Amino acid sequence: SQKIEQNSEALNIQEGKTATLTCNYTNYSPAYLQWYRQDPGRGPVFLLLIRENEKEKRKERLKVTFDTTLKQSLFHITASQPADSATYLCALDPGDYGQNFVFGPGTRLSVLP
Amino acid sequence: EPEVTQTPSHQVTQMGQEVILRCVPISNHLYFYWYRQILGQKVEFLVSFYNNEISEKSEIFDDQFSVERPDGSNFTLKIRSTKLEDSAMYFCASSERRRGEQYFGPGTRLTVT
Repeated sequence: SQKIEQNSEALNIQEGKTATLTCNYTNYSPAYLQWYRQDPGRGPVFLLLIRENEKEKRKERLKVTFDTTLKQSLFHITASQPADSATYLCALDPGDYGQNFVFGPGTRLSVLP
Repeated sequence: EPEVTQTPSHQVTQMGQEVILRCVPISNHLYFYWYRQILGQKVEFLVSFYNNEISEKSEIFDDQFSVERPDGSNFTLKIRSTKLEDSAMYFCASSERRRGEQYFGPGTRLTVT
């Protein structure tokens, strides 16, 4: 069956360090993979999108990689700040009509001052 | 900056009643979505809508659910006969392209008693 996993429910890191979040999937062949941030009680906020033929994408302190052989995406936040504390969601987009957009369960990141 | 809006922010209803959740997507967006998130769980896709018809729907989106774009701005989700397990946060989202970043509204918290 299809499954999306994100490395852990919660991740604590020290301010200034790089946070690395993992998204693994099985039995999907996503054409696109997206990362969102969600704060408590709020809707997800789009961060980055990466296509299946792209290896890496960057935006300011954020970097995402996409390895379709390993069926894995890594999401990095460099020079992390307490304001980066939130739940981060990966989302798979199959790219074909009739197939649904699917969110992972999320990783709750806490950046400690 | 344009944003997706949703009303009401909180709706309390009795089991068996009909509810309509309303959304105003970003004005130049063509693709519209509904998601739900049960407290403490992951964001789940319900339905996508384009060109006045449903393009994809999940198993959750059964005959009790319907969507409509009654005019040029609103996008609604109707639940015909609510059940206790329909209690959740419902998010509306919109996107400019079919496979692009989605912009989420703040959500409607639905409580079924």
